[in-house]
Amino acid sequence: EIVMTQSPATLSVSPGESATLSCRASQSISTNLAWYRQKPGQAPRLLIYDSFTRATGVPARFRGSGSGTEFTLTISSLQSEDFVVYYCQQYNNWPRTFGQGTKVEIK
Amino acid sequence: EVQLGESGGGLVQPGGSLRLSCAVSGFTFSTYSMNWVRQAPGKGLEWVSYISGSSSTIYYSDSVKGRFTISRDNAKNSLYLQMNSLRDEDTAVYYCARDAYSLTYWGQGTLVTVSS
Repeated sequence: EIVMTQSPATLSVSPGESATLSCRASQSISTNLAWYRQKPGQAPRLLIYDSFTRATGVPARFRGSGSGTEFTLTISSLQSEDFVVYYCQQYNNWPRTFGQGTKVEIK
Repeated sequence: EVQLGESGGGLVQPGGSLRLSCAVSGFTFSTYSMNWVRQAPGKGLEWVSYISGSSSTIYYSDSVKGRFTISRDNAKNSLYLQMNSLRDEDTAVYYCARDAYSLTYWGQGTLVTVSS
């Protein structure tokens, strides 16, 4: 099983600033990585797939990068709805696995 | 508009059974793979099971293998999860989600509580 490790667990950022979230895979997953955002009480929403491709309707301020074992989600100009939890997920192997999540909170 | 809606959750005793359903609309169900993903209260996401469009390929997480069964009825545009021998640690919101790789669409989830 591929273990996905996200860091940090909590990130404190001021509104309007940028946030950088990291995700590390225990073995190479090429670019088979997705990022999701989950608001409280709601289902996750796909933001990024194939490491860097934005899903339909996702603003350009969300940028994904990385390949192999190291991945990054950068969120520019943080808005109120961005202060939630983010998960990465690998789909290179079965079982599919998620990171434990990064909570972005208001500084 | 793509829509997924889960049902069938509830309170069940340890060792009991429950069948979850996911009704979909807005796309040709038979041509898409589907998944179940769960989230324990206050915890992260855990992938549970996968089924291909034709039901020819099925996968399970080790935590549910041998206890849960995924299935689908393409004529009814519905996905199912039969859960047997339920344990306390199966308590979670269960989501159905579409696609084989990244999960593009998700339902709103149904809560399963395993407790005596």
